[in-house]
Order: sequence, then structure tokens, then C-alpha cells
Amino acid sequence: AQSVTQLGSHVSVSEGALVLLRCNYSSSVPPYLFWYVQYPNQGLQLLLKYTTGATLVKGINGFEAEFKKSETSFHLTKPSAHMSDAAEYFCAVSAHTGANSKLTFGKGITLSVRP
Amino acid sequence: DTGVSQNPRHKITKRGQNVTFRCDPISEHNRLYWYRQTLGQGPEFLTYFQNEAQLEKSRLLSDRFSAERPKGSFSTLEIQRTEQGDSAMYLCASRGGREGLPYEQYFGPGTRLTVT
Repeated sequence: AQSVTQLGSHVSVSEGALVLLRCNYSSSVPPYLFWYVQYPNQGLQLLLKYTTGATLVKGINGFEAEFKKSETSFHLTKPSAHMSDAAEYFCAVSAHTGANSKLTFGKGITLSVRP
Repeated sequence: DTGVSQNPRHKITKRGQNVTFRCDPISEHNRLYWYRQTLGQGPEFLTYFQNEAQLEKSRLLSDRFSAERPKGSFSTLEIQRTEQGDSAMYLCASRGGREGLPYEQYFGPGTRLTVT
């Protein structure tokens, strides 16, 4: 079984400030990990994913995340927030092998960016 | 841009009515997923197709729900005798590639269902 915990439902930062969105996962098999972004009334767009290899992964729009197996974490960061980053962010996990690669999502974090 | 499309985008129905949603995946993708997203929650897996075969159904998919993917192309999700608890965003996603590999799931814009 797999699960994702996203601490806090809402994060507010000032424009230009560091963005840190936390994600912890639980998985009985080696996981694939994903961050998706959702803008209002739209579907989900992939920001980045971790599969194997390098534990620091870079994604679109300046976001990156680091896989830490010992901490079962996959936190999302961006050095400098932009107004256009305001959206809902979801962390997700899928099985590394077998299954159907369905995604198990966290509850999401709403990011607000203050001018 | 030939992404995943879903129709209708919005559906308002009265309790007890039947509704059907359609998903058109990216043409070369053989795998298709349905998820449900309620307010303030992340998407939850409903069901999965590989080509025309429905290979997995979540316990969330009660017997009022049925999904099909004839000929392995578009898919439909039908809800019979809708209840207010069915109000949600229904998301469709598709992917290609082989099983067990980290191919991206591409999501459609969703169908928002409101049951009054």
C-alpha cells in the first residue's frame, strides 16, 4: 500500500521568497514520486518526477525536489516565488514495479504568493 | 495540441438522474485512468484500462458506476442514480509506454459534476 502526506493545506510566501512544499510518502515497494500543479478549473500538469538515479530532480518553472529515502520525503522547492506560481500542488506516488502505475495523491497544498 | 480532452466540462444534474462523461486520450496512449477529486482533496483512483480491458477498479467505484473503453480508444464513465455525494471533479488521464516504467500520466481538464 502507498500513501502520501502533505503537511499543511495552505502556504503563503512573498514574491521572490523561497518556496518549500513538504511531502512525505509511505510505500512498501520502491516508489516513483511526482509533483503536479493544478490551476483553477484545469487538470493536473506534471512539474517533475523521481524515478531512479540522481536524487535531486529539476522540473519546469524553476522547481526542484530532492528524494530522501531515509526520511521518506520528496519536498518541492523553488528559490524565488513568482506571482504565477499561485496554484494547488499535489505530491503523488506510484509503484516502481507491477501494479498499474496508478497514482496515489496527497491532499494538496494551496500556494499563495503575496506581491 | 492533441492532449487529453474531456466532455462535458461541467454537468449539473438532479439527484437520481444518470450521467455519462467522455474522455478522449492522447491517440497513441494505450493506458487510461479515471480519478475523482472532491473539494479540498487530491485525486483518488477510480479505474484503469489497458487498451479495451478494464484491469482494475477501486472500491470507490460502487455498482452505480460503470466505465467502458470500446476499441481501446475513448472512454466513458457513467453514473446511475446520482447522489449528492457524487458531486466532484472527474479527471481522466492517459499514458503510453510499458508497465512498471515511469511514463507520465497526462491529465485532461476534468468534468465537474454537481448533483442538486
